[in-house]
Amino acid sequence: QQQVKQSPQSLIVQKGGISIINCAYENTAFDYFPWYQQFPGKGPALLIAIRPDVSEKKEGRFTISFNKSAKQFSLHIMDSQPGDSATYFCAASKGSGGSNYKLTFGKGTLLTVNP
Amino acid sequence: KAGVTQTPRYLIKTRGQQVTLSCSPISGHRSVSWYQQTPGQGLQFLFEYFSETQRNKGNFPGRFSGRQFSNSRSEMNVSTLELGDSALYLCASRRGAGETQYFGPGTRLLVL
Repeated sequence: QQQVKQSPQSLIVQKGGISIINCAYENTAFDYFPWYQQFPGKGPALLIAIRPDVSEKKEGRFTISFNKSAKQFSLHIMDSQPGDSATYFCAASKGSGGSNYKLTFGKGTLLTVNP
Repeated sequence: KAGVTQTPRYLIKTRGQQVTLSCSPISGHRSVSWYQQTPGQGLQFLFEYFSETQRNKGNFPGRFSGRQFSNSRSEMNVSTLELGDSALYLCASRRGAGETQYFGPGTRLLVL
């Protein structure tokens, strides 16, 4: 059972454009939604994260939009740059404050930003 | 501050063998989690250790086991290797509850 569904699988964007990646979850107990960025040969690195008490969080060019009723959240990358080319993973967890903490990941989106 | 380190970075084994992977968390981090990453299944949670105790376990067979030492370093063991165990094994550490989880570069295991 895939608890976090991510789309699209791959995305090509021109430099300066907006990249949008979407995720949907099933488990309403999830209370922490991070996005990770992974470059080839590296481990995932946390980009930005959100909790369900807010609908949007922005950090620089990266914004998470969260829709609790639809059980969906998305990552927007404004002014996309070639250096943003990487694989992006959405994730979700419950109980981030204590035990039973584990991240459930989406399958990933390979983003290519053309110069 | 040094990040999460994993050794070895690459490993080739044959079916039926066993393997031990090592993870050194960021200094001061007491929680270590392990994940398996494959093209087909993506990133899947294996287990988490905190203060030498396993606190959570994913849906993997008993061939996958781990432990954590008093200095927070962790090892993961896979016995009776199968071809399907070929993957990137990632270790992640965090200071404690509610803290950000930081990933290491992973150990790429190839089972022939």
